[in-house]
Amino acid sequence: SQTIHQWPATLVQPVGSPLSLECTVEGTSNPNLYWYRQAAGRGLQLLFYSVGIGQISSEVPQNLSASRPQDRQFILSSKKLLLSDSGFYLCAWSDSGGAKDTQYFGPGTRLTVL
Amino acid sequence: QQQVKQSPQSLIVQKGGISIINCAYENTAFDYFPWYQQFPGKGPALLIAIRPDVSEKKEGRFTISFNKSAKQFSLHIMDSQPGDSATYFCAAKNEGGSEKLVFGKGTKLTVNP
Repeated sequence: SQTIHQWPATLVQPVGSPLSLECTVEGTSNPNLYWYRQAAGRGLQLLFYSVGIGQISSEVPQNLSASRPQDRQFILSSKKLLLSDSGFYLCAWSDSGGAKDTQYFGPGTRLTVL
Repeated sequence: QQQVKQSPQSLIVQKGGISIINCAYENTAFDYFPWYQQFPGKGPALLIAIRPDVSEKKEGRFTISFNKSAKQFSLHIMDSQPGDSATYFCAAKNEGGSEKLVFGKGTKLTVNP
């Protein structure tokens, strides 16, 4: 069965510090991968998605970036965090084959920027 | 045209009652409509999904009703329980188009005991 992991689970970082959040998926090959941000009590904002290694589509211009160095690894980064980067970051995957509509979410990373 | 409008923003229901959450869309190319359930501090989990070839899908106490002509779909939770208290998101996708899901803004459901 497929499993999606995110770490760290929680993170407190000062303004201006760098960021690296990691997401890995097990039990599937060539998944579509997604990064979402959820502000407190708000909806899901799609940040990036990837349909293959090195293929990243950005949805929202910001100081965040994403990379996909391996087939089942998706990384969200920032060189300098802003207060507005605080939120709940969710990674998701979907099948790139037949059953490609459903997205499965990871447990999330709670980021607080102080 | 890519929006999915979800209502209400919050909903309070008594135990045993029926919870109803509504969503509307504009893009007629959408052909996959899932609902996600999210508990505090957790990632959203797929609850139930429907395609436009049927008008209703039921899984246990959860039912999706789909009205293609009105471009609306709704989630009904029968015999609502306190354990159903969560935030619910509707979404839509065009299978032949983008790989992205378009999400509604969410409904916070509280079921009082």
